[in-house]
Amino acid sequence: EVELVESGGGLVQPGGSLRLSCAASGFTFYNYWMTWVRQAPGKGLQWVANINHNGIEQYYVDPVKGRFIISRDDAKNSVYLQMNSLGVDDTAVYYCARLRFGSTTNYFDYWGQGALVTVSS
Amino acid sequence: DIQMTQSPSSLSASVGDRVTITCRASQSISIYLNWYQQKPGKALKSLIYGGSNLQSGVPSRFSGSGSGTDFTLTISSLEPEDFATYYCQQSYFGPWTFGQGTRVDIK
Repeated sequence: EVELVESGGGLVQPGGSLRLSCAASGFTFYNYWMTWVRQAPGKGLQWVANINHNGIEQYYVDPVKGRFIISRDDAKNSVYLQMNSLGVDDTAVYYCARLRFGSTTNYFDYWGQGALVTVSS
Repeated sequence: DIQMTQSPSSLSASVGDRVTITCRASQSISIYLNWYQQKPGKALKSLIYGGSNLQSGVPSRFSGSGSGTDFTLTISSLEPEDFATYYCQQSYFGPWTFGQGTRVDIK
C-alpha cells in the first residue's frame, strides 16, 4: 500500500527556515516524480514544486523560486522541501504527493496527510 | 497562469441525489484535467484523471467528462461518504493550477 508521511512542520518566525520531509513506502520510489502542494488556512490548493525521478530536474511556482529547494534521497525513500526566507504568506499545510505521468494527463495519484507550517512572530 | 474556475462554490444535497460540479479553464487544456476529493483530517484522494478516467478503487458513481475549457464531475447517486470538498486541477501548462474547490454538504 502506498503511504506518504510528512514531518518537520511547526512554528517559525518570519525570515526563518524550515525543512519538511516526506517518507514514502509501498512503491518503487526512484521510479517516480514527487511533488509538494500547499493549502493556506481556509483556502484552496497551490502546487509548489516538482522533482523528477533522479533529482536532476526541479520546478517551482513563482512565489517560492529562489527560496524553496526540493530534493530527494532515494536511499531513504524520501523527498524534502527546504524552505528559506519564510513569510506569513507561506503559512499553510504542505502536502507531499506522488506524481503520475500518463498519455492523457499528469496527476497526483497519492497524497500524504500534510504538515502544518505556521510563519508568525 | 491558467485560471481554473469551479461552480458552484458549495452545494447542499441529499443522499441519493445526482450531483454535478463544473470546472472551466481560462484557456484550452485539452483533457489535462484531474479531480480530487478532500475530507477533513484525511489525505486527498485522486478521483478522475485525464478528464474522464476513473482512478483505480474509486466507485463507479463518480464520472468525469469534458475537453478544451469545460469539464464536469458527476456523482450519480450521492453516498454519505461523498460529503467533501472537490477540486479540479489542470496539468496542461505550468504552473499547474487548481480550482477554488466545491464543498458538498448535507441538505
